[in-house]
Amino acid sequence: DAGITQSPRHKVTETGTPVTLRCHQTENHRYMYWYRQDPGHGLRLIHYSYGVKDTDKGEVSDGYSVSRSKTEDFLLTLESATSSQTSVYFCAIRGQMEQPQHFGDGTRLSIL
Amino acid sequence: TQLLEQSPQFLSIQEGENLTVYCNSSSVFSSLQWYRQEPGEGPVLLVTVVTGGEVKKLKRLTFQFGDARKDSSLHITAAQPGDTGLYLCAGSESGGSNYKLTFGKGTLLTVNP
Repeated sequence: DAGITQSPRHKVTETGTPVTLRCHQTENHRYMYWYRQDPGHGLRLIHYSYGVKDTDKGEVSDGYSVSRSKTEDFLLTLESATSSQTSVYFCAIRGQMEQPQHFGDGTRLSIL
Repeated sequence: TQLLEQSPQFLSIQEGENLTVYCNSSSVFSSLQWYRQEPGEGPVLLVTVVTGGEVKKLKRLTFQFGDARKDSSLHITAAQPGDTGLYLCAGSESGGSNYKLTFGKGTLLTVNP
């Protein structure tokens, strides 16, 4: 299995609170991604990183920010969580551009 | 925005039956991946196809990439309950940013004993 750890695995929080999800990899891969998965929508890209301090927006980036201060960690932050951000969040990593992505086991986030 | 259409969305069959899942797009992809996802886990890569017309086999699973690299199919022979899961196709856009994948919405397969 690819060395990807997401934390926490489950979180319940209230609307308006800040939330940070962490993705940690031990593969020294250059590319890292954050997705959300919702019924009827499949996997949608939130943000991605192509190197330390190099990030860009995906298709559903509003309300989310990311940071990558070192190769192994990619953080996803919800500055002020809303109920519409209740979802399952997946991190993925990729070595080189021609290689496939490998996924973590996800974080189930519930915002009440 | 590229779209990958998967069909069917849901499939419930009996053990031993054969099935085919389709992944179609109007866009050309440089490569296409198939993943399987089980409840509470992340998607796990099954195969990557790169060449138009390519066929790959993984035990009872056969994957095909269309000649024009716009579509793909997954065929399962003699399905077993262990094949139950969500099957996702994902493509890397040809000529575009190779950082990102486009995902289909998935086919939820249930194989009943």
